[in-house]
Amino acid sequence: ILNVEQSPQSLHVQEGDSTNFTCSFPSSNFYALHWYRWETAKSPEALFVMTLNGDEKKKGRISATLNTKEGYSYLYIKGSQPEDSATYLCAFAPGWVQGAQKLVFGQGTRLTINP
Amino acid sequence: EPEVTQTPSHQVTQMGQEVILRCVPISNHLYFYWYRQILGQKVEFLVSFYNNEISEKSEIFDDQFSVERPDGSNFTLKIRSTKLEDSAMYFCASRLTAVTYGYTFGSGTRLTVV
Repeated sequence: ILNVEQSPQSLHVQEGDSTNFTCSFPSSNFYALHWYRWETAKSPEALFVMTLNGDEKKKGRISATLNTKEGYSYLYIKGSQPEDSATYLCAFAPGWVQGAQKLVFGQGTRLTINP
Repeated sequence: EPEVTQTPSHQVTQMGQEVILRCVPISNHLYFYWYRQILGQKVEFLVSFYNNEISEKSEIFDDQFSVERPDGSNFTLKIRSTKLEDSAMYFCASRLTAVTYGYTFGSGTRLTVV
């Protein structure tokens, strides 16, 4: 059974502070690692898709790193703003079904930015 | 920005009834999916669909479930005889191609079985 774990489950951060959280995934049969941002009552929105060990991706104040050998990814948010409040989901794509590529999700990290 | 549209946003149904959840994926996307999230649990994969057939299905996706893409635009999930444990938020998603593209998710249908 594939298992993806995220920590912490929830996080409260002061506006302007930087923060990071972790996604752990199986280190074998790796195909890709996805990060999504999910605001309440909206649909999950793709942030990053990473496929190579050592990948680093950046979108504005948000960045992510990937270590496929040890099975973890970090998401960083620099200078948190109230609009960053959301649940951040990571999802692991196993390597044996190419093309259609199902995702195995973690439980999410719920981030709240306090003004 | 193109969207994945799901209808209805909420559905309440009696146990044992059939339900059809509807999705309109992004028009040029090739891969289609259904996921669900039971309250308090992780988002879990149900089924993937490509080239007019199921690519992969999970253990959850038993004979009570079926998917169709009848007209090249709609993508439906049918639950033949609903159970209480089918109550969940159901998400449709589509993607253009593999590897470097993320999914585009719809905003979900909350199904409540009573």
